[in-house]
Amino acid sequence: SQQGEEDPQALSIQEGENATMNCSYKTSINNLQWYRQNSGRGLVHLILIRSNEREKHSGRLRVTLDTSKKSSSLLITASRAADTASYFCATNTGFQKLVFGTGTRLLVSP
Amino acid sequence: EAGVVQSPRYKIIEKKQPVAFWCNPISGHNTLYWYRQNLGQGPELLIRYENEEAVDDSQLPKDRFSAERLKGVDSTLKIQPAELGDSAVYLCASSLDWGLEETQYFGPGTRLLVL
Repeated sequence: SQQGEEDPQALSIQEGENATMNCSYKTSINNLQWYRQNSGRGLVHLILIRSNEREKHSGRLRVTLDTSKKSSSLLITASRAADTASYFCATNTGFQKLVFGTGTRLLVSP
Repeated sequence: EAGVVQSPRYKIIEKKQPVAFWCNPISGHNTLYWYRQNLGQGPELLIRYENEEAVDDSQLPKDRFSAERLKGVDSTLKIQPAELGDSAVYLCASSLDWGLEETQYFGPGTRLLVL
C-alpha cells in the first residue's frame, strides 16, 4: 500500500521557473527520500532528509520536512527541460523498507 | 561501474502462462529488492533479500509469485500462472547494505503485459 500522496499529481512549467511538489505521509518515519523517474528508465535517488532535519539542499534541489504535519516538499529551482520526469517521495519507517508515494509528473517546456 | 541489470525489458504473455524476470545487482551489494509499479503509482515492495535470505516477503503474493537469490548475487522473480492484474513494471533494486540511510539503486525494470 502507498504511504501517502503527492500533490500536485501533475505540474507543467516553463524552463527557468521553480517547481514545488508536496508529499504527505501517514506514519512516523526515520527518513524521507525523493526519487526521480524518467520515462522508460529506473528510479534515481535524489536526496535524503532525516526525521530530525527540517531542510536540506543539494544543487538546485531544496527539501523541507515537517514531521508534525507529516509532510515534505521538494523545490527544484531554475528548472530545465531535462528535469521533466516523475518525482516520488519515499518514507523509510525502518530497516530499509521504503514506501513510495503516488508521484508528481513534472513537465518542463523549453 | 555497471548499474542494476534487468532482463527482459519487455514481456507480453497470455494469462495463465508463466513468466520470469532476472536481475543482476551492482557488484558488492548485499541487499536486493523486487518492486512492482502499477501504472500511475509508485513502486511497492514485493520482497527484500539480505544476501541469499528473504527477510521481508510480506507483500509477495505467495500463491503465484516466487523468488530466489542463489549465492546471494543475481535473482529471479517468477509468476505462475500470470493474471491480467499482474500487468505492471517489475523493478529490481540493490543497496550496499541494509542500513536506514543506504541508497537504493534501481534497474530499468521489466514491463509486463498480460493479455
